[in-house]
Amino acid sequence: ETAVFQTPNYHVTQVGNEVSFNCKQTLGHDTMYWYKQDSKKLLKIMFSYNNKQLIVNETVPRRFSPQSSDKAHLNLRIKSVEPEDSAVYLCASSYLGGTETLYFGSGTRLTVL
Amino acid sequence: GDSVTQTEGLVTLTEGLPVMLNCTYQTIYSNPFLFWYVQHLNESPRLLLKSFTDNKRTEHQGFHATLHKSSSSFHLQKSSAQLSDSALYYCALSANSGTYQRFGTGTKLQVVP
Repeated sequence: ETAVFQTPNYHVTQVGNEVSFNCKQTLGHDTMYWYKQDSKKLLKIMFSYNNKQLIVNETVPRRFSPQSSDKAHLNLRIKSVEPEDSAVYLCASSYLGGTETLYFGSGTRLTVL
Repeated sequence: GDSVTQTEGLVTLTEGLPVMLNCTYQTIYSNPFLFWYVQHLNESPRLLLKSFTDNKRTEHQGFHATLHKSSSSFHLQKSSAQLSDSALYYCALSANSGTYQRFGTGTKLQVVP
């Protein structure tokens, strides 16, 4: 099956903890993204990687750090989570270029208590 | 910077009536790409349709939209709403190839019997 796969589906943690989310795509794309969808359903770009290289880094707190081992994998680590980090984190992939269709994973819902 | 403005909040329609969800954009680039994504409940966003050609109608799954550069608009339309069209609809802009897609705030469409 070709798609974008995210783990975990849900994660509940306490303020100050560190969390990591994983994303893998089997679509053969060369670009991957992390988007944040908040409680109001606003969908905002956080990071974009092309062939393991960071190409977009929007205004995101420094506690967020993406990690890419190859063009098919993009992980997200959050050091010392804050309550405002509660959201759905959507991983997506595409061919390079903002003109290409984005394919989203099922998302990771983070709840920070 | 680039921005996307959509019909605010919730649009409630009776089944069978026409659908029109507004999307306007701002960009300094002359060749924008516009997208509509649909997100059904408990699912991820997926592409509905996209366009980069001025004044050309694009259709998919009964929906259509036309990019009008003169008015910076890309409204989503459908002649007859169905209950299954109830979902969250995002308009997105890619203003420069190689960058990411910027999403509007989303419009929730609720179709009632």
